[in-house]
Amino acid sequence: AQRVTQPEKLLSVFKGAPVELKCNYSYSGSPELFWYVQYSRQRLQLLLRHISRESIKGFTADLNKGETSFHLKKPFAQEEDSAMYYCALSSGSARQLTFGSGTQLTVLP
Amino acid sequence: DAGVIQSPRHEVTEMGQEVTLRCKPISGHNSLFWYRQTMMRGLELLIYFNNNVPIDDSGMPEDRFSAKMPNASFSTLKIQPSEPRDSAVYFCASSEDRGLTEAFFGQGTRLTVV
Repeated sequence: AQRVTQPEKLLSVFKGAPVELKCNYSYSGSPELFWYVQYSRQRLQLLLRHISRESIKGFTADLNKGETSFHLKKPFAQEEDSAMYYCALSSGSARQLTFGSGTQLTVLP
Repeated sequence: DAGVIQSPRHEVTEMGQEVTLRCKPISGHNSLFWYRQTMMRGLELLIYFNNNVPIDDSGMPEDRFSAKMPNASFSTLKIQPSEPRDSAVYFCASSEDRGLTEAFFGQGTRLTVV
């Protein structure tokens, strides 16, 4: 069975501080991993995926298969980054996304 | 394309009543997902359709919940009878079934059962 764990329900940082949102997964095969973001009063949307190895809005995430982690990082948080962040895993054959419980990030001025 | 469309956006109903949530996926997408979002449990997958066929409904909480997808452009999630603990935001999402998957979400339906 596949599982995604986000240990922090709430995370607050000050503007300009680094931020790291933790995500660990368990899956026996080769997973596809994603970070989704939900800004206030907006729909859930894809932020980035591990395969792309890209930086979106200053965020990056590296897949660490040894530690089964896919932490989301940004060196300098901005107030507009305040949102709910979900880590998600897709098993290639089933094509279904399993989400973590989410982390509410608040960036304080 | 307007994206995934869900209706209604808000629903308030009395305990015991039947509730039907509706979803129109993005045209051309052949996978459809229903999720439930609560503060306590986050985002839970309820059921997943591929080419209109239910593939995994293990997340459906109990027999009071049922979902259908009569065609590629429409799906419903029904709760009968509804209970206060069903209060949550219900999301529908769709994706293509090729290559890397990105799920596109609707705006959600906020259900309140009183």
